Amino acid sequence: QSALTQPASVSGSPGQSITVSCTGISSDVGDYNYISWYQLHPGKAPKLMIYEVSNRPSGVPDRISGSKSGNTASLTISGLQAEDEADYYCSSYTSSSPRWVFGGGTKVTVL
Amino acid sequence: QVQLQESGPGLVKPSQTLSLTCTVSGGSISSGGYYWNWIRQHPGKGLEWIGFIYYSGTTYYTPSLKSRVTISVDTSKNQFSLKLSSVTAADTAVYYCARVPNGVWDFDYWGQGTLVTVSS
Repeated sequence: QSALTQPASVSGSPGQSITVSCTGISSDVGDYNYISWYQLHPGKAPKLMIYEVSNRPSGVPDRISGSKSGNTASLTISGLQAEDEADYYCSSYTSSSPRWVFGGGTKVTVL
Repeated sequence: QVQLQESGPGLVKPSQTLSLTCTVSGGSISSGGYYWNWIRQHPGKGLEWIGFIYYSGTTYYTPSLKSRVTISVDTSKNQFSLKLSSVTAADTAVYYCARVPNGVWDFDYWGQGTLVTVSS
């Protein structure tokens, strides 16, 4: 069982918006703004999509956004595109061991 | 552009030691400023952080694996390595190496991962 809780799957039609939630506890998501999101495609290197809750690395489109409220972080994909279909994982830095915890992953499907 | 590439045996026998190497290109491990990590993903499961090493040799491991894990660095080859001893089928996973910038605490570059199967 993963330390952070994510829905197993989320789907949407092209052009729609979807949100993936990531729920932790006060000692990880609730205490830190070091929340990041990763996109995983089979056989490819995972890609950082969001860091420090809401910051986008260079090259990540602005239709990808992140936020946090209390112990829950969220990833929102607006204007859903076929290329967004992948697995998404959240991660949080934590004050206790282990230093990083991950969610169980969410499969995003573009209908 | 920084690139990381895992290498090592794809099949390990139970009770033996799993050994993987991560080769870094496009940046020098010895320049400092980054933590070099190993992360794994069991089949159909979430990600699990294993541990990191700094270029100076400082390490930190996840408590559940601490007794079996060793991460080392070879700055002359720009590589860092993972050894996991006394493996069982439960250690079958895709193993990733990844970089964390000091003070930012996210994994900004990853290798593509390598599947290690523990089986006789």
